[in-house]
Amino acid sequence: KNEVEQSPQNLTAQEGEFITINCSYSVGISALHWLQQHPGGGIVSLFMLSSGKKKHGRLIATINIQEKHSSLHITASHPRDSAVYICAVRGSGGGADGLTFGKGTHLIIQP
Amino acid sequence: GAGVSQSPRYKVAKRGQDVALRCDPISGHVSLFWYQQALGQGPEFLTYFQNEAQLDKSGLPSDRFFAERPEGSVSTLKIQRTQQEDSAVYLCASSPRNTIYFGEGSWLTVV
Repeated sequence: KNEVEQSPQNLTAQEGEFITINCSYSVGISALHWLQQHPGGGIVSLFMLSSGKKKHGRLIATINIQEKHSSLHITASHPRDSAVYICAVRGSGGGADGLTFGKGTHLIIQP
Repeated sequence: GAGVSQSPRYKVAKRGQDVALRCDPISGHVSLFWYQQALGQGPEFLTYFQNEAQLDKSGLPSDRFFAERPEGSVSTLKIQRTQQEDSAVYLCASSPRNTIYFGEGSWLTVV
C-alpha cells in the first residue's frame, strides 16, 4: 500500500504570503491529485498530475516522479484559500486502484 | 444535476440500526468510488465500481458494509447493525479518465 505523507499538517499565514504544501509517497504512481476541502463541504479536485507542472490562477502544482514528491503552491494567498488541502495518489497498477489519500494540510489565511 | 449527488446529507442512527446511503454519480461516468472520512483524517478507500461491477471491495471494514450499483449508475452503501465507530463522512466520487468528482458526503453519526 502506498504511504502518502503531507507537510505541514497545519499552516497559518497572513494574507498575501506565498504558501507551499508538500506531499511525498512511497510507491510509484500513475497520477497524483491535489484536492481542496472546505469545512462541511465536499472535495474539489484542483489538479491531476502525472509529470511536470500545472498552473491554474494563483495555484501551481509540481511533481517530481523520481523523488516521489509533489508540491502545491499558492501565490498571493487570500482568506478564501482557507481550507484543507489533500494530496491523493492513484497506483501505477491502473484499473481498479482507488485513490490513497494523505491526511491533509489545514490552511488558514488571516486577513 | 451537474455534480455527484449524495443523500441523505446527514443521518443520525441508533446503534444497531441499518442505514443506506445513496450516490447519484455524474451521468456517463463509468467509475464510482466510496470513501470513509473520519473527523480530522483524510478519506479512506472503501470500494470501487466500474459500471455495475464491483471490482474492488478491499477497503470495506467488515461484513456489515455492503455496496451495490445494480444498473451501473446509482450506487447504495449499506451499513448493517451500525456501531459507534461507523460514525464518519461517507464520500462518493465518480471519475472519467483524467479527473475525479466528489459528492458533498453523507455525514453519519451513530449514537
